[in-house]
Amino acid sequence: SAVISQKPSRDICQRGTSLTIQCQVDSQVTMMFWYRQQPGQSLTLIATANQGSEATYESGFVIDKFPISRPNLTFSTLTVSNMSPEDSSIYLCSVTGPGANVLTFGAGSRLTVL
Amino acid sequence: RKEVEQDPGPFNVPEGATVAFNCTYSNSASQSFFWYRQDCRKEPKLLMSVYSSGNEDGRFTAQLNRASQYISLLIRDSKLSDSATYLCAGYSGGGADGLTFGKGTHLIIQP
Repeated sequence: SAVISQKPSRDICQRGTSLTIQCQVDSQVTMMFWYRQQPGQSLTLIATANQGSEATYESGFVIDKFPISRPNLTFSTLTVSNMSPEDSSIYLCSVTGPGANVLTFGAGSRLTVL
Repeated sequence: RKEVEQDPGPFNVPEGATVAFNCTYSNSASQSFFWYRQDCRKEPKLLMSVYSSGNEDGRFTAQLNRASQYISLLIRDSKLSDSATYLCAGYSGGGADGLTFGKGTHLIIQP
């Protein structure tokens, strides 16, 4: 299965600032997704990162708050903009495979907003 | 978003026992299902895929009941290392959609 590297692994940020999380995959993948896991909660899909076009956002998530880039088939970034304490969460990058519809996850980026 | 629901537990089970938990899904069009394991402060990792009537992998058995819209995970001869959160996930098709996850069932195996 693909090896996914995310950075930063964790960060503590001030309210009102923005943070960009990077996701690097060791092979070309068609589908990349960004998930959020808030404390004690399950994973919630933020968006599908589309190569060469705008990301597809799930209900409740908007591009202004979570801009996503996908310049090629191995790399994506998620920015959490104008952060508030409610954005404190783990953000996970994932790709499809191995196997149909299976997801492999990066180790996650743990964000704390003060 | 389609819902996937799980009993959050925790399930406290003595080592060596058999434990089973279920996951219900509301979207009858869901095509495939998965069990993921998530250890504390780690990312989820695929435990098993459940594509049709179920499958078995060593001490783990997953079953799918389409009529009642649930999947189950059975763990036999439980080990201390089985302690984790088990997440159920479903895929409803559409190509671009990711998986929909339940909130997870927390399992604690006690010595």
